[in-house]
Amino acid sequence: AQSVSQHNHHVILSEAASLELGCNYSYGGTVNLFWYVQYPGQHLQLLLKYFSGDPLVKGIKGFEAEFIKSKFSFNLRKPSVQWSDTAEYFCAVSPYNTDKLIFGTGTRLQVFP
Amino acid sequence: DTEVTQTPKHLVMGMTNKKSLKCEQHMGHRAMYWYKQKAKKPPELMFVYSYEKLSINESVPSRFSPECPNSSLLNLHLHALQPEDSALYLCASSQDSGTGVYEQYFGPGTRLTVT
Repeated sequence: AQSVSQHNHHVILSEAASLELGCNYSYGGTVNLFWYVQYPGQHLQLLLKYFSGDPLVKGIKGFEAEFIKSKFSFNLRKPSVQWSDTAEYFCAVSPYNTDKLIFGTGTRLQVFP
Repeated sequence: DTEVTQTPKHLVMGMTNKKSLKCEQHMGHRAMYWYKQKAKKPPELMFVYSYEKLSINESVPSRFSPECPNSSLLNLHLHALQPEDSALYLCASSQDSGTGVYEQYFGPGTRLTVT
């Protein structure tokens, strides 16, 4: 069965620290990959996505992610976090040419000033 | 317009009530989705409509009944719910770009409390 794992359930950082959130998936075929963010009290927003091409993708608000096919990973990074990045982050995988979006369990990020 | 709207924002209902959640998108998307999200958990897919036809039902209890009156609207009819059905109900829509990629846009959700 397809699944998505996010190893970090709760991450606490100070402002200006670097961030890396892990995401691994299990699926043998071609996938589309996404990171969504859910700020407190707000709806899910797409942070970035990977469909094909350059495995290093850049998203909004200075976030980037790297797809490593051999490791089935799609880790999210940001060089310097801000207090406003405090949110829940979800990695999601969609098998190619399907409507299904499979979410990871989420990582709660808290950034302190 | 890249917005998915949902009404109501909050809903409190008793276990014997009948209520409906509404979702609307005007992006011309051909697929619409219902998800259920419990606190501190990821969204769980409930239903998918593709071209106004139900294409996926993730073994959801019959007390949840989806309806897609047209390509822009999606309803979720609720009847005889249980307290454990209290959650945030999210609607999403997507448009196949022709490349086999479905990028989903989410609405703000309806916070449902069953008493």
